[in-house]
Amino acid sequence: SYVLTQAPSVSAAPGQTATITCGGANIGGKSVHWYRQRPGQAPVLVMYYDGDRPSGIPERISGSNSGNTATLTITRVEAVDEADYYCQVWDTDNNRVLFGGGTKLTVL
Amino acid sequence: VQLVESGGGLAQPGRSLRLSCTASGFTFDDHVMHWVRQGPRMGLEWVSSASWNGEFLDYADSVKGRFTVSRDNAKDSLFLQMNSLRPEDTALYYCVRGRSTSLRDFLDFWGQGTLVTVSS
Repeated sequence: SYVLTQAPSVSAAPGQTATITCGGANIGGKSVHWYRQRPGQAPVLVMYYDGDRPSGIPERISGSNSGNTATLTITRVEAVDEADYYCQVWDTDNNRVLFGGGTKLTVL
Repeated sequence: VQLVESGGGLAQPGRSLRLSCTASGFTFDDHVMHWVRQGPRMGLEWVSSASWNGEFLDYADSVKGRFTVSRDNAKDSLFLQMNSLRPEDTALYYCVRGRSTSLRDFLDFWGQGTLVTVSS
C-alpha cells in the first residue's frame, strides 16, 4: 500500500528557512496537501494542490512537488510556525485519504 | 464555518459510543464529510468518509465492521456509531469537511474534536 514518509522533526532559528519533506513513490504524480497543527489546536489547512495557499496563510509558506518528494518551505521562520505539519494525498490504490506521519517543527 | 463534535467520553472495551458533528455556516450537502482521529501523542489517522448524499461510505481497515458513518443533511449533521470499542480506539475524533463533493479533494476545515477514551 502507498506510504507517505515524513521526518519526525526539523528545527530552524527565527528568520531562517525550514524545509519539511514528504516522501512517496512518484508523489509528483499526486496532489499533496499540508496541514499545520499547533499545540493543543485542531489541524489547519496551509497548502493544497501542491502549492496553493488558502486565504490567511502568509506568502512565506510555499509548497512544491516533484519526483518522489513533496516539500513545504517556510521562509523567515517565526515562533508561531512551531507546530506539527502533516502531508496528505488521496491514496488511489485504496481510494481513501492518507496522511504522512507528521513533522514537528521546532523554532530554536 | 463551524463544526461542533459531541458524544465522546469514557467507554469500556466492547461497548459503544455515538459521535455527532453539527455543521453551520455552509451548505452541508455541498461537501464530503470525514472523521479523522488522533491517538495520544500520535499522528492523524483517517477513519471514515461519507459522500455528500450519504450513499457512499468508506472506512479505514482498523474500524471496518465496527464503526458506521452516517449523515442527515436535513439537520446538517454527521454521525459515527462506534461499536465493539477497543483500547486502541482511544483518540481525539475530528469532524472534517471535504472541500467539495469529491472524495479525492482536500480537507479544508476541521472541528475541535471530541475525546474518546476506551478503558476498563
